[in-house]
Amino acid sequence: EAQVTQNPRYLITVTGKKLTVTCSQNMNHEYMSWYRQDPGLGLRQIYYSMNVEVTDKGDVPEGYKVSRKEKRNFPLILESPSPNQTSLYFCASSLGQASSYNEQFFGPGTRLTVL
Amino acid sequence: ILNVEQSPQSLHVQEGDSTNFTCSFPSSNFYALHWYRWETAKSPEALFVMTLNGDEKKKGRISATLNTKEGYSYLYIKGSQPEDSATYLCAFPPDSWGKLQFGAGTQVVVTP
Repeated sequence: EAQVTQNPRYLITVTGKKLTVTCSQNMNHEYMSWYRQDPGLGLRQIYYSMNVEVTDKGDVPEGYKVSRKEKRNFPLILESPSPNQTSLYFCASSLGQASSYNEQFFGPGTRLTVL
Repeated sequence: ILNVEQSPQSLHVQEGDSTNFTCSFPSSNFYALHWYRWETAKSPEALFVMTLNGDEKKKGRISATLNTKEGYSYLYIKGSQPEDSATYLCAFPPDSWGKLQFGAGTQVVVTP
C-alpha cells in the first residue's frame, strides 16, 4: 500500500531532550516536506527536500534540523526542544515540487508535547 | 507571513444545501493552487491541484474554479452531506522550487 509513515504518533518529552521524528514513504517520491499545525495558523512548512542530499528551509525552520540521506526517509530532528514546539507535525511527499501538478501525500501526523 | 487567506473561517450547512468558500492568493508569479480536505483525526488528502487560469475541476459533488489574474479560487459543495464535514485547506507555492504555503482553512459542518 502506498503510504507515508511517521513515528512516533504521540510523544511527550521535556525541554532540551533531543528527539527525532521519522518519516518514510514507499512511493519513490522525489519531494518530501515537514509541516507543523497550530490552531488558527494552518499548516506551516518547516523544511522540504527536493531530492537526496537537497534540503531547504520552509517558513518556520528555527529549532529544527532535517536530513535526506535516502530517498524514502526524511527525519525531523529537534536538538533542544522547547515548549513552543508543542504542535501537531505532518510529513508529506510528492512526485515533484509543489509548484507543478504534484499533490502532497500526508503521513498520519505526530502529536508532540514539550513540557 | 500568511499569503494565502481563506474565508469564511467556518460554515454551518444544512444537509442537502449547497455552499462555497474562497481561497485568496497573490496574483503575481502564479504556479499552482492546491485544495485539500482534512477530516478530524485524519490526515489532509488532496482534492485538486490547479495550474491554469479558468481551470475548473470536479470530484463528485465537489468542484473548484481558479482565477489567477485576480488571485482567488472557489470551492463548491453541491448538495452537502454529513460526510462532507471537514476542514478544507488551500495551498499556494510562492516560488517555483519547493515552498508551499497553506491557508488556515475553512471548517465545514454539515448537519442532518
